[in-house]
Amino acid sequence: DGGITQSPKYLFRKEGQNVTLSCEQNLNHDAMYWYRQDPGQGLRLIYYSQIVNDFQKGDIAEGYSVSREKKESFPLTVTSAQKNPTAFYLCASSILGKGSSYNEQFFGPGTRLTVL
Amino acid sequence: AQKVTQAQTEISVVEKEDVTLDCVYETRDTTYYLFWYKQPPSGELVFLIRRNSFDEQNEISGRYSWNFQKSTSSFNFTITASQVVDSAVYFCALSHSGGGADGLTFGKGTHLIIQP
Repeated sequence: DGGITQSPKYLFRKEGQNVTLSCEQNLNHDAMYWYRQDPGQGLRLIYYSQIVNDFQKGDIAEGYSVSREKKESFPLTVTSAQKNPTAFYLCASSILGKGSSYNEQFFGPGTRLTVL
Repeated sequence: AQKVTQAQTEISVVEKEDVTLDCVYETRDTTYYLFWYKQPPSGELVFLIRRNSFDEQNEISGRYSWNFQKSTSSFNFTITASQVVDSAVYFCALSHSGGGADGLTFGKGTHLIIQP
């Protein structure tokens, strides 16, 4: 089945440790995204990538890093510099729009990160 | 800057009632896209609809309908004859630009509770 997988579903880390969240898609989508969701809040964009080996900062990139070495993979590292890392992290992908078109994003099941 | 406002934090209705979720947006772009997503308790976002700024026709899909009014910058979502399975958090979102794939701006969501 085509889709987006995120692992693990639940992740615990000690304060001061870096942790990497996995995101893989087999939809052959060009663009991939990372969002953060806090309780009672909407999603906020962390990073996005439209092509392999290229990515851009979103609205809340501080304390996070990403890589895009393969089209199907877009891992997110939450570094110790992120002040409040406990949150629900969602990965998404989409087909790049042609011209002024903008296609819908498809989301993975999410990873819930808790810092102890 | 772009903004999406979902003023209703939580709505509770009895099954079979009709319910409307409000969405008001702000953008300086002339070309943009609006989206609605559903987030069930499992956490994964489910795409419901995409609408571009040049298409103000209302859309109906089964029990769901959407009313896009550019004059009031609103994109409201109505569920007719609600069912318990409609219980979820619903997000309205706005594309950052008329082209490309640089992420979405989300509202804070409306938690819809359908009581049997």
